[in-house]
Amino acid sequence: KAGVTQTPRYLIKTRGQQVTLSCSPISGHRSVSWYQQTPGQGLQFLFEYFSETQRNKGNFPGRFSGRQFSNSRSEMNVSTLELGDSALYLCASSLVGLSTQYFGPGTRLLVL
Amino acid sequence: AQTVTQSQPEMSVQEAETVTLSCTYDTSESDYYLFWYKQPPSRQMILVIRQEAYKQQNATENRFSVNFQKAAKSFSLKISDSQLGDAAMYFCAYRSGETSGSRLTFGEGTQLTVNP
Repeated sequence: KAGVTQTPRYLIKTRGQQVTLSCSPISGHRSVSWYQQTPGQGLQFLFEYFSETQRNKGNFPGRFSGRQFSNSRSEMNVSTLELGDSALYLCASSLVGLSTQYFGPGTRLLVL
Repeated sequence: AQTVTQSQPEMSVQEAETVTLSCTYDTSESDYYLFWYKQPPSRQMILVIRQEAYKQQNATENRFSVNFQKAAKSFSLKISDSQLGDAAMYFCAYRSGETSGSRLTFGEGTQLTVNP
């Protein structure tokens, strides 16, 4: 079974631009979560989607948004990029009712 | 809110030796799950082991085992017969069993070096 995939793997943007990251979960997994990893703040939860609905949201500004499609694939969008948005963005998927999340390889975003 | 603390930013171990990584957490919940994830230089987060809070028996996965002390809110990871491939950043993580959703709360991480 294929693992969680994320595209693109690397991205360079400039301040003020917007970016969309994509995540395809493991087949059969309907829950998708997003995390931001930075050297200063560590791993922080962004949001979780289940059956196309946002189920949980972390403490991030409204510039960070996401959505989930009927095939469980998820996208996250960051508008008006700031230098501090430079990070590794990790996506994780899990089966309904089970606790274990499986992570993708991440998208490394650099904002210049 | 739940918090997870890893008090050892760095640890080192000789190949074939045993090392223990510490993790403490704070929660008022009685139903929850704890995890150890490994993040090698590739940055891919890999599940090492999980523990359900309602289980008294400590989880084991081959060379990896945990010491789960629920009353003390402690969840340490023991790596036996350490191998060079074990070198990575290790994260302890908490997931509530009482609220819906899969949100993980992570500790700060422990960088493990394995010396040949």
